[in-house]
Amino acid sequence: EDQVTQSPEALRLQEGESSSLNCSYTVSGLRGLFWYRQDPGKGPEFLFTLYSAGEEKEKERLKATLTKKESFLHITAPKPEDSATYLCAVQGYSSASKIIFGSGTRLSIRP
Amino acid sequence: DAGVTQSPTHLIKTRGQQVTLRCSPKSGHDTVSWYQQALGQGPQFIFQYYEEEERQRGNFPDRFSGHQFPNYSSELNVNALLLGDSALYLCASSVRRTSGTDTQYFGPGTRLTVL
Repeated sequence: EDQVTQSPEALRLQEGESSSLNCSYTVSGLRGLFWYRQDPGKGPEFLFTLYSAGEEKEKERLKATLTKKESFLHITAPKPEDSATYLCAVQGYSSASKIIFGSGTRLSIRP
Repeated sequence: DAGVTQSPTHLIKTRGQQVTLRCSPKSGHDTVSWYQQALGQGPQFIFQYYEEEERQRGNFPDRFSGHQFPNYSSELNVNALLLGDSALYLCASSVRRTSGTDTQYFGPGTRLTVL
């Protein structure tokens, strides 16, 4: 069965302090791995789709990377407005269109 | 270009009642998926609709049902509400692809509270 585990559950950083969020996954044939940002009480906002090991994508202070077992979301010199929950999700060939989400990492950036 | 829209924003019901939630997909999208998100958890897949038919279903009881209309909009119906059905209900739309992956874009959600 497809599974996604995110760590840490929560992360508090000082403004400007770079770090990485981890997403470990088990899937029988990866169709895509997704990263979303979610603010409290709102729907997830799409960030990236990664398709194969070695792929990297960047957007502003965020960079997502993918290996055969993990994905990392690197955040460089974060600002308070980057505070949110970051969700990782996978779509496997065996699960057709179903997307499996992790529980997320709650990121808090202190000014 | 309007994104995914959902209505209502908030809803309060009592146990045993029935509820209908509505979703309009992003322009150009033909597939709608529904998710349930409990507090502090990631979204859980309920089902997906394409060409007005339920194409895939997650581990949810038959009390959860849906519909897709010719204009691609969709409804989620929940019967015999339980306290545990209290959650944020999310709609996501995408373009059906026969190969590759279909990135899903989410709406703002409907917060359902069951008393």
